[in-house]
Order: sequence, then C-alpha cells, then structure tokens
Amino acid sequence: GAVVSQHPSRVICKSGTSVKIECRSLDFQATTMFWYRQFPKKSLMLMATSNEGSKATYEQGVEKDKFLINHASLTLSTLTVTSAHPEDSSFYICSARGGGLAGGGTDTQYFGPGTRLTVL
Amino acid sequence: QKEVEQNSGPLSVPEGAIASLNCTYSDRGSQSFFWYRQYSGKSPELIMSIYSNGDKEDGRFTAQLNKASQYVSLLIRDSQPSDSATYLCAVNEVTGGGNKLTFGTGTQLKVEL
Repeated sequence: GAVVSQHPSRVICKSGTSVKIECRSLDFQATTMFWYRQFPKKSLMLMATSNEGSKATYEQGVEKDKFLINHASLTLSTLTVTSAHPEDSSFYICSARGGGLAGGGTDTQYFGPGTRLTVL
Repeated sequence: QKEVEQNSGPLSVPEGAIASLNCTYSDRGSQSFFWYRQYSGKSPELIMSIYSNGDKEDGRFTAQLNKASQYVSLLIRDSQPSDSATYLCAVNEVTGGGNKLTFGTGTQLKVEL
C-alpha cells in the first residue's frame, strides 16, 4: 500500500511554455499533498502544501502565480509551472499524506517517483 | 526557524558492518520522526517512523529516539552495497497551516566491498 505516482517522469520543454505535473495517490485518499523541488546534490525544498478542496499554502519565496497547484480530489494534485525558464529546471517531487494507513501514522508522507524538468 | 541537522558525510563503512546515522533537531515539541532513503536521481523512500523514546527495529534497521536530547539515529546492521544512498532525517513540525516535515540535508552512506 501507500503508492504515489507522478506523471510525467521526465519532461523537456522550451522556455516560455507551461508544464503540468500530476501526482496521484493510488491506494489511499490523500488529505494533504506536498510539492518539493530538489536541485542536484541539494536537499529537498518544500514548495507548497495543498489540502483537498482548498487553496495551497506556499512556502516563503515560492511564487504562487508561477507554480499553480490544484488539489481537486483526494487522489489527485497537479503542479503547473507557468512560463518555464531554464532556472526552473529541477527535480520536482510530490508526496501525499493520508489518515490511518497500515504501518504509517496520519503524519507519514509517501513520495512519488519525481518528475525531472528540463527547460531549454 | 526549526532545524534538523545531519552530518553530510560521506560515511564509509565496510560491507557487513554497522552503519550509524545521526540527526539532531531543534523543535522540542516535535513528536514524529522519520528516516527516508534516497538513491541518486530518485525520490525519497520511507524506511522507518518512530514516535516514542527508545529503539524501534525493522529488519536490519533500528531507529533510536531520545527526545530529552533531541536526537534520533538510524542503525543499519550487516550493511550491504545496496544500502549506499543518502539518508534523510525528517521531523514533523506543527505549524499554523498544518503539519509538515522538516528535512535534514541528508547523510551520504557508502558501503564498500
């Protein structure tokens, strides 16, 4: 159990285009999903927290108009990088947290496999 | 600013040895602690969670928690080359906007043949 998927796994796009990344919890309902970004050899950086049906909470320094997050259902959250530029190239990882999973507490986060974004 | 600190390493141990990974945290009110493993180019994978003082064992892994010292550790027995990865310590932080994990920068473990 506790499987989180992400799509696409890898995307290459031109500067100025928008890219949408999907995060799905496959076998549990995720009341909260998180979006992280990780640069090479650096630690995870939390970008935003999203709760189903409400607006995302962004971390300080993260532009909410550039990184649009939608959490429309208990199993799906999307991150859209708008007008992507080369400096947005990174590894984007989502995680999901649900309540009462076997073997995991209500505060346990399960990570998706990540999406590697390259902006040319 | 809540902090979680780990030695970045690399920590090198011979195959079959015990690897000891340490983590300290600043928020005395934290109640939930996690260890994740991250292979290069991959996303983090949950190894263990621990909530109470003392030891928690799962196979070759043992997590140890000491809330008074604000210290959590992970022991890996009979280390294998496949254990070579970066190990992330994470501490649950309760904020006005809900719970979130604060991650350490990770310790790189190298298990040598």
